[in-house]
Amino acid sequence: NVILTQPHSVSESPGKTVTISCTRSSGSFASNSVQWYQQRPGSSPTIMIFENHQRPSGVPDRFSGSIDTSSNSASLTVSGLRTEDEADYFCQSYDDDNLWVFGGGTKLTVL
Amino acid sequence: EVHLVESGGDVVQPGGSLRLSCAASGFTFNEYTLHWVRQVPGKGLEWISLLAWDGHTTYYADSVQGRFTISRDNSRNSLFLEMNNLRAEDTALYYCAKEGQDYGGIYFDSWGQGTLVTVSS
Repeated sequence: NVILTQPHSVSESPGKTVTISCTRSSGSFASNSVQWYQQRPGSSPTIMIFENHQRPSGVPDRFSGSIDTSSNSASLTVSGLRTEDEADYFCQSYDDDNLWVFGGGTKLTVL
Repeated sequence: EVHLVESGGDVVQPGGSLRLSCAASGFTFNEYTLHWVRQVPGKGLEWISLLAWDGHTTYYADSVQGRFTISRDNSRNSLFLEMNNLRAEDTALYYCAKEGQDYGGIYFDSWGQGTLVTVSS
């Protein structure tokens, strides 16, 4: 089974840029895209990035996604950090049996 | 506007059963694949199951395969999760999520607020 590994937590100051990684244990993000969800405390998750780098309408362009096939990893970058960006972020992809898989989540603290 | 409202969560003993429901509105229900995702409070998300728009194609996570059954009633715009032989590790907030598509990508574009299942003696 595919495992998606994320750092437990990251922190940065307002206005700065932070990157959250998601490393895939097997398979490839090139074949199985990655999505990123934001979950604020007490709320349900919301989509931030889909298909590796696509932004749904309404998501600020401060949020961007990318994949690195050489390291089998994906990244979510948040620039111009704001206090409202403080949340848990989860990557999500698929395994070869079309089962959906989530990473363990990363808590972003905006100091 | 899409609305997904889960219900049916409760406290149940280990080995017991429970049926969760998800009432949907704001979209053409029978055209979309729907999922169940769970989350232990304060922990990560775990995908559980999906049922395609056709009402036939299903997938389950290994952790619930053989114990949980996903179904839908397109005439009532409702999704269900029948949970049997419940274990303590099934304790979680259960979300109903709608699959969306855009630019060839598939993702969860709407979530409910969740219903809490507690398995405890």
